[in-house]
Amino acid sequence: AQTVTQSQPEMSVQEAETVTLSCTYDTSESDYYLFWYKQPPSRQMILVIRQEAYKQQNATENRFSVNFQKAAKSFSLKISDSQLGDAAMYFCAYISGAGSYQLTFGKGTKLSVIP
Amino acid sequence: EADIYQTPRYLVIGTGKKITLECSQTMGHDKMYWYQQDPGMELHLIHYSYGVNSTEKGDLSSESTVSRIRTEHFPLTLESARPSHTSQYLCASSEFWRGQETQYFGPGTRLLVL
Repeated sequence: AQTVTQSQPEMSVQEAETVTLSCTYDTSESDYYLFWYKQPPSRQMILVIRQEAYKQQNATENRFSVNFQKAAKSFSLKISDSQLGDAAMYFCAYISGAGSYQLTFGKGTKLSVIP
Repeated sequence: EADIYQTPRYLVIGTGKKITLECSQTMGHDKMYWYQQDPGMELHLIHYSYGVNSTEKGDLSSESTVSRIRTEHFPLTLESARPSHTSQYLCASSEFWRGQETQYFGPGTRLLVL
């Protein structure tokens, strides 16, 4: 079974600085997809960024980028120019290739942004 | 944010009551999901649907039931609520993206059973 590990239960970052959240996963499959979701306190969970495993190029979405290391099974999220609105729980998630319905989530990292 | 809605957002109810948590989406997505999330914890899939009249149980055992009579609507029902059902329930729907589904979540329903 696939597992997703987020080793940092909590992190903090100074406003305008850069922070990296780590995520590792365990799988024997070659076709899969990875996601980062953001869940602000008492607010809706939203998709931050997504990556196909077959793509070498790291995904980017504005201030958010990933460092995808397939051989190391690592999928870290970098947030540049951190803003107060970035404070949230961040979940890393994995899903197998076509036909799978099961998203496997990590336990999350709580990010605080210090003004 | 995705166009997926859940009501109620918060519910406090007594043991033994029947409850229905509503979920609807306006994106025309075929696939929909229900997750259970305890505070500060990861999400666990309890139900999913591939389309109208299709429902399946997820990996986490749940006493709840679901129905899918219309594409846009995926309600979850607890026939007799118990304190152990206290949790947050998240509904999601998904779109097909480059070979796999990407899931989008509703705002959740926080349920407290006394």
